[in-house]
Amino acid sequence: KAGVTQTPRYLIKTRGQQVTLSCSPISGHRSVSWYQQTPGQGLQFLFEYFSETQRNKGNFPGRFSGRQFSNSRSEMNVSTLELGDSALYLCASSSAVSSYNEQFFGPGTRLTVL
Amino acid sequence: KNEVEQSPQNLTAQEGEFITINCSYSVGISALHWLQQHPGGGIVSLFMLSSGKKKHGRLIATINIQEKHSSLHITASHPRDSAVYICAVSRTDKLIFGTGTRLQVFP
Repeated sequence: KAGVTQTPRYLIKTRGQQVTLSCSPISGHRSVSWYQQTPGQGLQFLFEYFSETQRNKGNFPGRFSGRQFSNSRSEMNVSTLELGDSALYLCASSSAVSSYNEQFFGPGTRLTVL
Repeated sequence: KNEVEQSPQNLTAQEGEFITINCSYSVGISALHWLQQHPGGGIVSLFMLSSGKKKHGRLIATINIQEKHSSLHITASHPRDSAVYICAVSRTDKLIFGTGTRLQVFP
C-alpha cells in the first residue's frame, strides 16, 4: 500500500498571501489529521476530518481551515499568511472509526513565509 | 506545566547502550503513542498502547496508567536510532504531544 503523501513538499510564500496544502491518505483510511510543527511550539494539532466532516479542531485562528473530499483526500488552507506560520505541516491518516488510533504520517510540507 | 512531559530532552549514548526515555502526562487518555522523527521531518509511529507493554525488535514500550507514566526502551542502541522520539497522548478530541527527546548514538 502506498503511504500518506503530501504536496507540495516545500513552499515559499510572502506575508499576506494564502496557501493550500494537500494530503492523500493511505487507501481505505477515512480519518485525516493535520499538525503544525515549529521549533518553539513543537507539534500542535490543527484539525481532524472523518468522512468529509471536521470532527475535531485545535486552538488555531480561523485563518487555518481545511476540508476533506469524498475520496478522503484532504486540503488545508492558510489565509493572510504571517511570518509565524512558517512551519512543517504534517498530515496523518488513520483507519479507525474512533479518533486517534494509530496514525500514519506523511513526509510533511515545509512552509516558509517571508 | 505541559500536559505531556518528556525526559530527558537530550540524550547521547554509545553504540550498544541501553536507552530509556520517559513520558509523564497529567490528563486522562485513551492511548499513548511513541513516535520517531528523523532529520528531514518524517514521523513514524512506533507504538500505540493503552496498557501494559509492547515490544518490536529492539524497542520496548511500557505504560503505567495509575502513575500516568510511560517509558520507551531501546536495547543495543545503534547510530541509526539517532532521531527525536516524541510521546503523544490521545484524548477524545485530539493528540497532545510532548516536546520530544533528541537521541544521538555514536559508534
